[in-house]
Formats: sequence, C-alpha cells, structure tokens
Amino acid sequence: EVQLVESGGGVARPGGSLRLSCAASGFSFDDKGMTWVRQAPGKGLEWVSGINWNGDRTDYLDSVKGRFTISRDNAKYSLYLQMNSLRAEDTAFYYCARISSPLVRGVIDYWGQGTLVTVSS
Amino acid sequence: DIVMTQSPDSLTVSLGERATINCKASQTILYSSNNNNYLAWYQQKPGQPPKLLIYWASTRQSGVPDRFTGSGSATDFTLTISSLQPEDVAVYYCQQYYTSPPTFGQGTKVEIK
Repeated sequence: EVQLVESGGGVARPGGSLRLSCAASGFSFDDKGMTWVRQAPGKGLEWVSGINWNGDRTDYLDSVKGRFTISRDNAKYSLYLQMNSLRAEDTAFYYCARISSPLVRGVIDYWGQGTLVTVSS
Repeated sequence: DIVMTQSPDSLTVSLGERATINCKASQTILYSSNNNNYLAWYQQKPGQPPKLLIYWASTRQSGVPDRFTGSGSATDFTLTISSLQPEDVAVYYCQQYYTSPPTFGQGTKVEIK
C-alpha cells in the first residue's frame, strides 16, 4: 500500500523558515517523480514544486522560486521542501504527492494527508 | 501559464441523477505527437486529500466506479457522474500537466438535492 506521511508543518514568522519532510513507503521510491501541492484553508489546489526520480530536475511555482527548495533522498525514501523567507500567503496545507511517472511533472496518483503551515506574526 | 476554468462553481443534483462538470483550458493540452490530452480529474471530500479519478482525459484510475466518465479534447473537457451517489459529495478539480506550471481549475462543489 502506498503511503506518504508529511511532517514539519507548524507556525512560522514572516521571513522565517520551515522544512517539510515526507516519508514514503509501499512503492519503489526511486522509480517516481514527486511533488508538493498546497491548499490554503477553504481554497483550491496550487502546485508548488516537482522533482524527477533522481533529483537532477526540479521545477517551481514562480512565486516560490528562490525561496523554496525541493529535494529527495532515495536511500531514505524521503522527500523534502525547504521553505525560506516565508510570507503570509504561503499559509496552507502542504501535500506530498507521487507522480505516476519518473518525470518532474505528470499525473498525481497518490497524495499524503497534508501538513499545515501557518505564517503569522 | 495555462488557466483552467471549471463550470459551474457548484452543482446540486438529485440522487441517481447525472452530474456534469466542465473544464476549459486557456490553450490546447493535446500533444499532437502522441494524441494524448494532458488532463486529470481529482475528487476531494471534506477533510481528506484529493484522490485521482481520471487521467489522460478519459482513463479511469483503478478502483474508480464506472459511473465516473471523462471526455473531451484539446481545450474542452467534461467529467460526468452518471448516477449520483451519496458518497460522491465532494469538490472536483481538473488539472493540466501538459506544461509547467501544472495548474488546477478552481473546483466544482457537488451536493445532493
């Protein structure tokens, strides 16, 4: 059974940092691209970032470029999102999700339960 | 960026009746080299993460009931629930994965009349 478990969410001050982690199990992690999608409370879905199977290709939403960094450790079956220079508009549930192919972008076939990031002074 | 626009924003349908959700892309998401439409549909129930229903515009994900059907091509797509069940109450999103950034529609909320 595919499982994706996020951690690392919480409250951060504007300008602060948080690091999200996602522990994957139930599939060959290094066969799949991975992605982060966020959802502000009561709002719609917004893609944030993607990474291909071996980490040598990454992609970002324009509004997070230069502030967020996606990475993965295939030996640890883990995905990460380092979030710096946080803004109030980054407040959202952040979902770790699996892409059905090895690529940086594609069909999102499994989602974690999400972790809430709140940016507030 | 490709803008995905869904209609309607909300939909109230009687049990057993048909529900139809439309999704329009601001440019084609049909890749001519492989004749695939790079469109997916997701269902999100309250308090849960999204769940994949349909990909390549019309391919049903394993385990998804056959009352869910995706259709359309190029810029205009439709998700049809042929006979609405109580468990289908949810918000439905379309998404294009043709080009970066992948973008979602704003969502359509489906309720029971």
